[in-house]
Amino acid sequence: NAGVTQTPKFRVLKTGQSMTLLCAQDMNHEYMYWYRQDPGMGLRLIHYSVGEGTTAKGEVPDGYNVSRLKKQNFLLGLESAAPSQTSVYFCASSYLGTDTQYFGPGTRLTVL
Amino acid sequence: AQSVTQPDIHITVSEGASLELRCNYSYGATPYLFWYVQSPGQGLQLLLKYFSGDTLVQGIKGFEAEFKRSQSSFNLRKPSVHWSDAAEYFCAVGAGGYSTLTFGKGTMLLVSP
Repeated sequence: NAGVTQTPKFRVLKTGQSMTLLCAQDMNHEYMYWYRQDPGMGLRLIHYSVGEGTTAKGEVPDGYNVSRLKKQNFLLGLESAAPSQTSVYFCASSYLGTDTQYFGPGTRLTVL
Repeated sequence: AQSVTQPDIHITVSEGASLELRCNYSYGATPYLFWYVQSPGQGLQLLLKYFSGDTLVQGIKGFEAEFKRSQSSFNLRKPSVHWSDAAEYFCAVGAGGYSTLTFGKGTMLLVSP
């Protein structure tokens, strides 16, 4: 039982490049989330999903896209990376919206 | 919409001393409240949560928190801090149902010898 896993763990991009972050959970959770964590800002919700095939915008969605084609996977895409997207990205999952969220180990992304 | 305030950015506590981390929330009805801990380089781990019932909740690692509706607070406490408790602590609030959580900006706990 791996819980929530994220790949990759680290990534360096140049401005304008694209990439996809993968989140996988094996707990059969309905809800999945993508957050970004920046110093002094806490966790801010980028996008979330309440079930397979559905996605919704969070607090800071601009510049990101997501997809949830399978219940266990939640992908976060950056189409044209910008230095402002340098951050640590966390994926989480929960059974319902206000249940305990289980977090992955994070992906540290640097955009040069 | 709900919001969370953690007034203290950093707190330093001597090992063996007691700890209280403050959390104030804004929400009109009874909130769902959480405390998470994040060790350096790690994801967040749930310490405890309050949904309803007894306003004093016990969590892992000897932590407890008390929900005070009149003060809109959910402060985290521990009677005796260990060096391994040094980490960042996040309070979060949810509105119930299909809503998402709102996290505070975090409090960094430093433990001195």
